[in-house]
This record gives sequence, C-alpha cells and structure tokens, in this order.
Amino acid sequence: EAGVTQSPTHLIKTRGQQATLRCSPISGHTSVYWYQQALGLGLQFLLWYDEGEERNRGNFPPRFSGRQFPNYSSELNVNALELEDSALYLCASSLVGWNTEAFFGQGTRLTVV
Amino acid sequence: AQSVSQHNHHVILSEAASLELGCNYSYGGTVNLFWYVQYPGQHLQLLLKYFSGDPLVKGIKGFEAEFIKSKFSFNLRKPSVQWSDTAEYFCAVNARAGDDKIIFGKGTRLHILP
Repeated sequence: EAGVTQSPTHLIKTRGQQATLRCSPISGHTSVYWYQQALGLGLQFLLWYDEGEERNRGNFPPRFSGRQFPNYSSELNVNALELEDSALYLCASSLVGWNTEAFFGQGTRLTVV
Repeated sequence: AQSVSQHNHHVILSEAASLELGCNYSYGGTVNLFWYVQYPGQHLQLLLKYFSGDPLVKGIKGFEAEFIKSKFSFNLRKPSVQWSDTAEYFCAVNARAGDDKIIFGKGTRLHILP
C-alpha cells in the first residue's frame, strides 16, 4: 500500500515568489494535515483539511493557504515567500475520527533565497 | 489551547544505557498521546500511541511510554539503547477539544555513542 506522497522533494524559490506543495494521502484517508518543521522549532501545525473543508489552521499568516481536492489530495500554497519560510513542510494523513493516528510523508524541503 | 513540552532538546547516551525522554502536555480533558521518531533521512513514523486503557503502552523496537494523567506526562523509555536509536523523537497530543488537531513538541535529538 502506498504511503503519503509529497511533491516536489525539494523546491528553491526567491523571496516574494509563490510556492505550491502537493500531498497525496494514503488511500481511504480523508484527513490531511500540514506541518512546518523548521530547525529547533519542532513541528508547527499549519492546516488541517477533512472532506474538502478546512477544519483548523495554526498560527500562521494568511499567505499560507491550501485546499483539498475531491480525491482528498491537498495543496499548500505559500505566497510572498520570505526567507524565514525556508523549512521542511510535512504532510500527514489519517482516517477521520478520534482514535486515529497520522501517517507522514517524506516532506518537501523549501528553500527561499 | 493545548501544548506539548519536551524537556530534553539533545540527549547523548552510550549504547546499553537506559533512556527516558520527558513529555508533558497542557490540557485537562481527554487526550490521545503519541511518540513519533524521525531517523536520519527518513520520514516521521509512529513509535507508540495511547488512546485509552492500560497507561503503560509498548511500541516498536523495545520502546514503551507511561501515561500519568495526574502529572500530564507521557514519558518515553527504553531499558537499553542501541546505536540505531539515534534519531529525533517527537511527543504529540491530540486533545478532544473539538478541533482534533495533533500538536507536537519541539523534539529531542538522541545521539547514541557506539
């Protein structure tokens, strides 16, 4: 069974540009989470989608946005990139409901220069 | 809002030493608790989880964790570490507060000396 897949693996952008990161969840999973992993800060919760709806978002500015498609895949968009946005962006998926665990992808390494 | 604290940011041990990594969370209601591990160059994977029942849970690779509700803690333990346990370990909590997002601690880098 395929796990969570993320693309691209690496992304280099210049300050002010936009970045689009993609995530395909495990088959049957309807929830998708996005996290930012910056050095020394652990995993910061960004966004949670379930059944195509945004369920919750973390303490990030509005230039971080995303969506979930009918096939449950998801896209994270970061507008007006800043140097501090350089980080590993992780996507996780889970079944809907309370007693479930999240499965993570390999991440997209975003570098803003 | 819930939060997770991991007290040790960087731990260095010799092989065969015993390990305990601290994790505390702040939320007074029902929680699910997790420990994830990230080996060098690999993706995050689940070590163990607590949903309900026996507060002492066993995970993969000889790891275990104990949920102590009165202390809001979920410490990770292993009696004898191996060089292959070198990794970053993350504690996470999912509080049943209506939003169900999973919050992670800042992680603990574990380095095992051969």
